[in-house]
Amino acid sequence: QVQLVESGGGVVQPGRSLRLSCAASGFTFTSFALHWVRQAPGKGLEWVAVMSYYGNNEYYADSVKGRFTISRDISKSTVYLQMNSLRAEDTAVYYCAKDFWATLTTGSMDVWGQGTTVTVSS
Amino acid sequence: QSALTQPASVSGSPGQSITISCTGTSSDVGAYNLVSWYQHHPGKAPKFILYEVDKRPSGISDRFSGSKSGNTASLTISGLQAEDEADYYCCSYAGIITLVFGGGTKLTVL
Repeated sequence: QVQLVESGGGVVQPGRSLRLSCAASGFTFTSFALHWVRQAPGKGLEWVAVMSYYGNNEYYADSVKGRFTISRDISKSTVYLQMNSLRAEDTAVYYCAKDFWATLTTGSMDVWGQGTTVTVSS
Repeated sequence: QSALTQPASVSGSPGQSITISCTGTSSDVGAYNLVSWYQHHPGKAPKFILYEVDKRPSGISDRFSGSKSGNTASLTISGLQAEDEADYYCCSYAGIITLVFGGGTKLTVL
C-alpha cells in the first residue's frame, strides 16, 4: 500500500526553525518526485517545493525560496522540509505528495499524506 | 506565481451537472497540458481526480471529466451526488518545475 506519513509539525516562534519529515512506503522511493504542499487556515492549497526523483534537483515557490530546503534520506525513504526564518504566514497544514509519473515531475500528485500542522506564533 | 482563478463556490442539485473553471495564463494553463484536479474534504488528504487535463486515474468515476480551452481548464461533475460536496482545486505546471494551484472552489450539493 502506497503511503506517505508526515511528522514534525508544532508551534514555533517567528524567526525560528522547524524540520518536517515525510516517510514513504509502498513504492520505489527513488523513482518518484516528492512535493510539499501547504494550506493556511481558511486558504487554498499552495505548492511549496519538490525534490526530483533522482534527488539532484530541488525547486521552490517564490514565497519560501531561500528559507526552506527540501532534502531526502534514501536509506530511510524519507523526504524532509527544513523551514528556517519562519513567519506567521507560514502557519499551515503541510502535506507531502507523490508525483504520479515515475522519473518525471509533472505536478500531478496521486498520493498525499494526512498532513502535519505548523503554527508560527509568539 | 499567481494563483489560478477559480470561482469561490458552485452549487447543484443531486443528479445535475456542474462545471468549475480554472483560469490561468499563457505561462501555465495555456502553455502545458499538465492541469490536474483535486477533491478535498476538510480535515482529510486531498484526492487526485484528474491529470493532464482530462485523464482519470484508476478508480475515479467517469462522472468526473476535464477539458481545456486556451488559458482556462474546466472540471465537470455529472450526476451530482451528496458525497461530491467538497472543495475542488486545479493545479497547473508553470514551467521550470514550478506548480501553481487555483484558489479552490467550494461545491455545495443542495
